[in-house]
Amino acid sequence: AQSVTQPDIHITVSEGASLELRCNYSYGATPYLFWYVQSPGQGLQLLLKYFSGDTLVQGIKGFEAEFKRSQSSFNLRKPSVHWSDAAEYFCAVGATGRRALTFGSGTRLQVQP
Amino acid sequence: IAGITQAPTSQILAAGRRMTLRCTQDMRHNAMYWYRQDLGLGLRLIHYSNTAGTTGKGEVPDGYSVSRANTDDFPLTLASAVPSQTSVYFCASDSGNTIYFGEGSWLTVV
Repeated sequence: AQSVTQPDIHITVSEGASLELRCNYSYGATPYLFWYVQSPGQGLQLLLKYFSGDTLVQGIKGFEAEFKRSQSSFNLRKPSVHWSDAAEYFCAVGATGRRALTFGSGTRLQVQP
Repeated sequence: IAGITQAPTSQILAAGRRMTLRCTQDMRHNAMYWYRQDLGLGLRLIHYSNTAGTTGKGEVPDGYSVSRANTDDFPLTLASAVPSQTSVYFCASDSGNTIYFGEGSWLTVV
């Protein structure tokens, strides 16, 4: 069965600083990988996804993620964080033939002025 | 654009009571899911349905049941609620390459 680990429960960065949120997955074959963002009291919004092809994936709101098979990672990055990026971020993995996603436990991002 | 509608938005429920969380989508997606979200645990799959008329168990199905009589509706029922079912419940549907989430139903069992 697949699994996802987000090692950082909580991260604080200053506005304008760069951001990297870590995600490691476990799955025997090529996974489908996703990053979602959740603002307080809201549902989940898809930031980006990786199915195949180019391992550097661009998403909405200036986010990108890189799939590294050798490290089983799919880290999320943003070069300059805005205060509105404060939210909880979830990494998720999908398996071939099983469409439901397995989620990590989330990373809460706080942005300092 | 409605997408996925969940009801109720929030509910306080006495233990032992029966409760149905409703979920309706207008995107004609075949696959639908119910997740629960708990602090520190992320989202965990309760039940899923790959198409109308079929359902399956997810990671945490105990105490919950679902039905899928048609493409649009996917209700989740708690037959006899317990305090450990206090959670935020998210319904989702699958376009084939993207999963869309509802706004969630906040359920408190007391």
